[in-house]
Amino acid sequence: DTGVSQNPRHKITKRGQNVTFRCDPISEHNRLYWYRQTLGQGPEFLTYFQNEAQLEKSRLLSDRFSAERPKGSFSTLEIQRTEQGDSAMYLCASRGGPNTGELFFGEGSRLTVL
Amino acid sequence: GNSVTQMEGPVTLSEEAFLTINCTYTATGYPSLFWYVQYPGEGLQLLLKATKADDKGSNKGFEATYRKETTSFHLEKGSVQVSDSAVYFCALRSGGGADGLTFGKGTHLIIQP
Repeated sequence: DTGVSQNPRHKITKRGQNVTFRCDPISEHNRLYWYRQTLGQGPEFLTYFQNEAQLEKSRLLSDRFSAERPKGSFSTLEIQRTEQGDSAMYLCASRGGPNTGELFFGEGSRLTVL
Repeated sequence: GNSVTQMEGPVTLSEEAFLTINCTYTATGYPSLFWYVQYPGEGLQLLLKATKADDKGSNKGFEATYRKETTSFHLEKGSVQVSDSAVYFCALRSGGGADGLTFGKGTHLIIQP
């Protein structure tokens, strides 16, 4: 088991472009989470999936953001028409279920919007 | 809504000093409380947790006790090492079906030899 894997690790893009991040959770974990972390702040919850169902979305997840987990395994987070304020570290985490409390985090995907 | 407040850093200590990082919270329901640690260049890792009042979480010499009366979950260690240098995040998961963690802003700990 290689843990939670995220790619790309770094992405630099120009304002207005679309970007997509991928997360591969720990294989037997059915819950997958996305967080955003800006400099000097703690991670902020964006959304989570149980298998392929998106069960909770934060108000932080504007219409330009969309997340999918089509087969209940890997997930993608797409940001359309990026803005400079989207620059952040995007973290993915997974866990096995409601009674297994620990979240396992990936190392994150850092987005820089110029 | 839920919120976590933790002491601002950086906190700089000498090796073998006693550590306290304060954390207080506001939450609906009966939250579970966590401390996560982020070492340089690595992802967040769970350090310890407590799921109900008066529980004590412990790991790697760190401890924190869930204090419902003071809504606190302070992190302590009796003798810190240089290898403890990292950013520490206090977090909660509230009850009532909400599944996302709410994090504090993090406290950067620097241990000098």
